[in-house]
Amino acid sequence: AAGVIQSPRHLIKEKRETATLKCYPIPRHDTVYWYQQGPGQDPQFLISFYEKMQSDKGSIPDRFSAQQFSDYHSELNMSSLELGDSALYFCASSFQREGRIEQFFGPGTRLTVL
Amino acid sequence: EDQVTQSPEALRLQEGESSSLNCSYTVSGLRGLFWYRQDPGKGPEFLFTLYSAGEEKEKERLKATLTKKESFLHITAPKPEDSATYLCAVQAPGGSYIPTFGRGTSLIVHP
Repeated sequence: AAGVIQSPRHLIKEKRETATLKCYPIPRHDTVYWYQQGPGQDPQFLISFYEKMQSDKGSIPDRFSAQQFSDYHSELNMSSLELGDSALYFCASSFQREGRIEQFFGPGTRLTVL
Repeated sequence: EDQVTQSPEALRLQEGESSSLNCSYTVSGLRGLFWYRQDPGKGPEFLFTLYSAGEEKEKERLKATLTKKESFLHITAPKPEDSATYLCAVQAPGGSYIPTFGRGTSLIVHP
């Protein structure tokens, strides 16, 4: 079965640089979520899109932005990178039915900021 | 404020030694409770969704149960390959469909 695809899998950037992470959700899923996970931490919700419109916003810094495109893939843009942005970034997708969801996560992008 | 608490934080078992992981929640009207398995450096792998008290679901050596205050993930005769972090998340009713995650239980199964 098709899974959530994320690229790149690993990314190394310098402080103050910009990074773009990509997510390709499971076909026919209508919602995409972005999470940040630091070492030993639970996933922290950043932002989500339902049918290409931003639906919920979590603890996403102003330096970050995201969008979902017509083909349903999503991109997380991160600017003015800081050392503390080093983390695993996960994308998840789900299909909403009667208010219920089941999230399926991608393999993640490991971002290292030097 | 909705809270999800998982216990224990870490658990070491011998192969074949059955045990249970706990996920306690304080949500006014649960829409769904999710269990995930996460291996180091990888994305959470969906295991189960439970929707109502009394519901149970099984998958191989894992069985998830749900009451009005907590959920248990029972692991029967675990094997070393069951070693992972097990995450619990709850979805509350209302406009936001975003689940709240617990901190997870790190399980190590020794051969």
